[in-house]
Amino acid sequence: KQEVTQIPAALSVPEGENLVLNCSFTDSAIYNLQWFRQDPGKGLTSLLLIQSSQREQTSGRLNASLDKSSGRSTLYIAASQPGDSATYLCAVHMDSNYQLIWGAGTKLIIKP
Amino acid sequence: GAVVSQHPSWVICKSGTSVKIECRSLDFQATTMFWYRQFPKQSLMLMATSNEGSKATYEQGVEKDKFLINHASLTLSTLTVTSAHPEDSSFYICSARDSFTQYFGPGTRLTVT
Repeated sequence: KQEVTQIPAALSVPEGENLVLNCSFTDSAIYNLQWFRQDPGKGLTSLLLIQSSQREQTSGRLNASLDKSSGRSTLYIAASQPGDSATYLCAVHMDSNYQLIWGAGTKLIIKP
Repeated sequence: GAVVSQHPSWVICKSGTSVKIECRSLDFQATTMFWYRQFPKQSLMLMATSNEGSKATYEQGVEKDKFLINHASLTLSTLTVTSAHPEDSSFYICSARDSFTQYFGPGTRLTVT
């Protein structure tokens, strides 16, 4: 059974720092992996989608990497800003079906 | 922790028919529910937001007459795809929110033949 874990559960850093959020999964036979952002009181925003054949995806200050063999993905945020404060979730699509398996999220606070 | 279920997890229907997807919050009351769709190899897209007892708010470009959303109770929301066509084939995810946190369902794969 696939399990997705995100560590840490919460993170607070000063503005301007580069930071890394971690996501691990127990079954490497994934179809793809996605990173999402959730702002308080709002829905999901999809940030980056990495196919199982890819190793990384970049969008602006965000870079997501995928290492299937080790069951890990990281979300790198460069030059963090207070507006980056949100909960970040990773989720995987499994190869054998299309259900999403969600991590519990990392709550990120960027201090001005 | 709180759990959101979706039923069915996978459905195949013929073009022109309607299909209903259920979203349930199993151990909490959901004041708001969200419906998302995702096409293969694309990111999730918010379709609509619904509050219990009121009409859903649809995102731009989403046909409200085609995607009927009913949030009849604090634990159940349904999405009905009416007169489905092959281009409606997609992965539909619901999300339920209580007063503090949003929880996500496992998704429903719809295939229209």
